[in-house]
Amino acid sequence: ETAVFQTPNYHVTQVGNEVSFNCKQTLGHDTMYWYKQDSKKLLKIMFSYNNKQLIVNETVPRRFSPQSSDKAHLNLRIKSVEPEDSAVYLCATDWGYEQYFGPGTRLTVL
Amino acid sequence: GQQVQQSPASLVLQEGENAELQCNFSTSLNSMQWFYQRPGGSLVSLFYNPSGTKHSGRLTSTTVIKERRSSLHISSSQTTDSGTYLCALERGQGGRALIFGTGTTVSVSP
Repeated sequence: ETAVFQTPNYHVTQVGNEVSFNCKQTLGHDTMYWYKQDSKKLLKIMFSYNNKQLIVNETVPRRFSPQSSDKAHLNLRIKSVEPEDSAVYLCATDWGYEQYFGPGTRLTVL
Repeated sequence: GQQVQQSPASLVLQEGENAELQCNFSTSLNSMQWFYQRPGGSLVSLFYNPSGTKHSGRLTSTTVIKERRSSLHISSSQTTDSGTYLCALERGQGGRALIFGTGTTVSVSP
């Protein structure tokens, strides 16, 4: 049963535009994550958010920013997209010892 | 360098064959999780296995902490097993963000 929801599934945009991706989880855990999966399928952590507090911020460019309204939602905003931002962005949350992932948002920057 | 290495990078199987996927890590282990990902699909957690052996249907995961390795065994492979298998370790700092391996792409033909 799906517990981590992401919208949109796909997004195509031009260089320089601003985009925002949504993530919602229904497992009730405090911590949520954003990962980036590149064209080689390598997954890397971007942000960890614990009850509205940023607890890990990898060396991602400043144009990326997580936005949280409550512990069930963690959105990702990209201020001015660049070609190298083309990737799949995956949201996740903890459930017990495991992490559960959403279906991802595929971003294509033209 | 990459802290979590997986081998082989890709694997081609005939239906019914067994397979062994390896995950080696250079950092200390806080947790070990195996995931399965279909092309264009989300990550599905297969095992949380920080040590010892766990079974789930035709899948077996074995983690040996001293040797800094974990393996995933697929027995009697089926075409539906095709996809990418990823192992991941907990970072151990700033929450429970995961460090992912490079992945093994498995293709099972009938």
